[in-house]
Amino acid sequence: EAQVTQNPRYLITVTGKKLTVTCSQNMNHEYMSWYRQDPGLGLRQIYYSMNVEVTDKGDVPEGYKVSRKEKRNFPLILESPSPNQTSLYFCASSLSYGGQETQYFGPGTRLLVL
Amino acid sequence: GEDVEQSLFLSVREGDSSVINCTYTDSSSTYLYWYKQEPGAGLQLLTYIFSNMDMKQDQRLTVLLNKKDKHLSLRIADTQTGDSAIYFCAERSSGTYKYIFGTGTRLKVLA
Repeated sequence: EAQVTQNPRYLITVTGKKLTVTCSQNMNHEYMSWYRQDPGLGLRQIYYSMNVEVTDKGDVPEGYKVSRKEKRNFPLILESPSPNQTSLYFCASSLSYGGQETQYFGPGTRLLVL
Repeated sequence: GEDVEQSLFLSVREGDSSVINCTYTDSSSTYLYWYKQEPGAGLQLLTYIFSNMDMKQDQRLTVLLNKKDKHLSLRIADTQTGDSAIYFCAERSSGTYKYIFGTGTRLKVLA
């Protein structure tokens, strides 16, 4: 079954305590991306990766890091979380081929930073 | 900068057609997407259209694109209660992987 998995699904942490949210896909997709969803703001892209070792900033990259050491994994790292990073986070992967595009989103990670 | 706008709410009766609207600002070659988000779930890609097309139909879904007005719409025929969800439109410029999402339209289907 094609899927994007995220862990953890829920996380409560305190300001300044480093955390990592993992994302993994089993479809061999080259493209992966992280978004945050906040009420009234829709989804905003944090970082994206077009392939292994190729990453770029989205609209709201401040306070986040990513890495893409292997195709299936794209972890999101918060080195020093702050309360304004409390949000719902989604990972996505996609493939464009022959004019067709498929995309899958993970189930989301709800983060609360105290 | 790029911006995507949607109305916040839409309420329709079961069996009627729903039309969800979206405006975008990118004037270059663009992919335009529609997603569905059910409560507590991630987004599901419903359909997409490239900016050189005017219309795309996929079963109950019809996407219409007015390039002159930069207006995109999603029509859902014979709307069912299972269509109740938040619908997002998004744009992506060709050659990039930067997605700009709208704020989402909450569709409520009344039985």
